[in-house]
Amino acid sequence: AQRVTQPEKLLSVFKGAPVELKCNYSYSGSPELFWYVQYSRQRLQLLLRHISRESIKGFTADLNKGETSFHLKKPFAQEEDSAMYYCALSGRGGSTLGRLYFGRGTQLTVWP
Amino acid sequence: DAGITQSPRHKVTETGTPVTLRCHQTENHRYMYWYRQDPGHGLRLIHYSYGVKDTDKGEVSDGYSVSRSKTEDFLLTLESATSSQTSVYFCAIGEDRRSGTDTQYFGPGTRLTVL
Repeated sequence: AQRVTQPEKLLSVFKGAPVELKCNYSYSGSPELFWYVQYSRQRLQLLLRHISRESIKGFTADLNKGETSFHLKKPFAQEEDSAMYYCALSGRGGSTLGRLYFGRGTQLTVWP
Repeated sequence: DAGITQSPRHKVTETGTPVTLRCHQTENHRYMYWYRQDPGHGLRLIHYSYGVKDTDKGEVSDGYSVSRSKTEDFLLTLESATSSQTSVYFCAIGEDRRSGTDTQYFGPGTRLTVL
């Protein structure tokens, strides 16, 4: 079965410190992984997806199939990074066609 | 933001009353989704649609029904609202999978309170 686990419900760092938001997944096929971000009282926005290999707002994420992880990293956190972050997985066929499976989210707070 | 609107944006209703939430898109995307967002649970899929009149259940579909009579509109109905359905509801649209990606784009959300 598909599952996305974000082990940290809350994460706090100081401005300028590195930050890593953890995401682990379980899926029998070849998944597509995403990170979405939700700033206070706003809609969810796509932050990045693994197939594009982009760096958005200084964030990167590498898909590690051996460890079934897709951790989100940023070397120097900024106060404006404070938000809720969701990791999500999309199946590539069968009954999971067209669906996203979300983790429970990690609330990141960056202190000045 | 992708052309997705939700109405109403806020609603307070009483237990036992029917409620309909509307999602409207101007992107002509094939896939549309309804999620609910609750603290400690993240986003959970209620129902989704892969075309006009083609819908399927998500993981928390009990107590909800949907309809899609036009590409641009996806309605979520609570036949008889309960307090457990107090939540923030998000609509999302998805790109055509033939493009090779499953990215979804989200609406602004509807905050529903059932008293």
